[in-house]
Amino acid sequence: NAGVMQNPRHLVRRRGQEARLRCSPMKGHSHVYWYRQLPEEGLKFMVYLQKENIIDESGMPKERFSAEFPKEGPSILRIQQVVRGDSAAYFCASSPPGLGETQYFGPGTRLLVL
Amino acid sequence: RKEVEQDPGPFNVPEGATVAFNCTYSNSASQSFFWYRQDCRKEPKLLMSVYSSGNEDGRFTAQLNRASQYISLLIRDSKLSDSATYLCVLKGGNFNKFYFGSGTKLNVKP
Repeated sequence: NAGVMQNPRHLVRRRGQEARLRCSPMKGHSHVYWYRQLPEEGLKFMVYLQKENIIDESGMPKERFSAEFPKEGPSILRIQQVVRGDSAAYFCASSPPGLGETQYFGPGTRLLVL
Repeated sequence: RKEVEQDPGPFNVPEGATVAFNCTYSNSASQSFFWYRQDCRKEPKLLMSVYSSGNEDGRFTAQLNRASQYISLLIRDSKLSDSATYLCVLKGGNFNKFYFGSGTKLNVKP
């Protein structure tokens, strides 16, 4: 059973461009979470999705950021018109449904905005 | 108030030492509890779940105290490879989602 997969692992964008980060959850996992981590800081929750539904997006910036988890295919975190402050590691995690189930992380995408 | 509070450290200990971390949480409705470790520039990895009865995995022991709303992690006979940031995580509340502490940094010295 492959783990959580994220691509690309590294992404370089110039200010004003768009960044698309992909996450394929583990097989059998229907819940996906996105987190952002700045250097030397803790994980910050961004959004929690289930298939075709956004469950909690309380950690998402109001502008430029969006996320989806379609019926088929990976979850996508999209950042429009990137700025230097968006440079960070973006981690995706997945979990199966169930109260006691934990989550497993992908290797992350490191975004650098020039 | 943060959902999960941890002492950021760093804890600097010699090899072979015993070290303990505590973590407090604010939501008494929290359902499940975990410890993760994160190495520098890597993703967090599950270390162990935490049960009310306490549980042990080799040199690692986790305890949960629901009355006082804290969980603990004890590491015995520290190894250099234990150097990492340890994240306290709980699951529950609205939407049954995960809440992460900011982590406690451990440095094990030779």
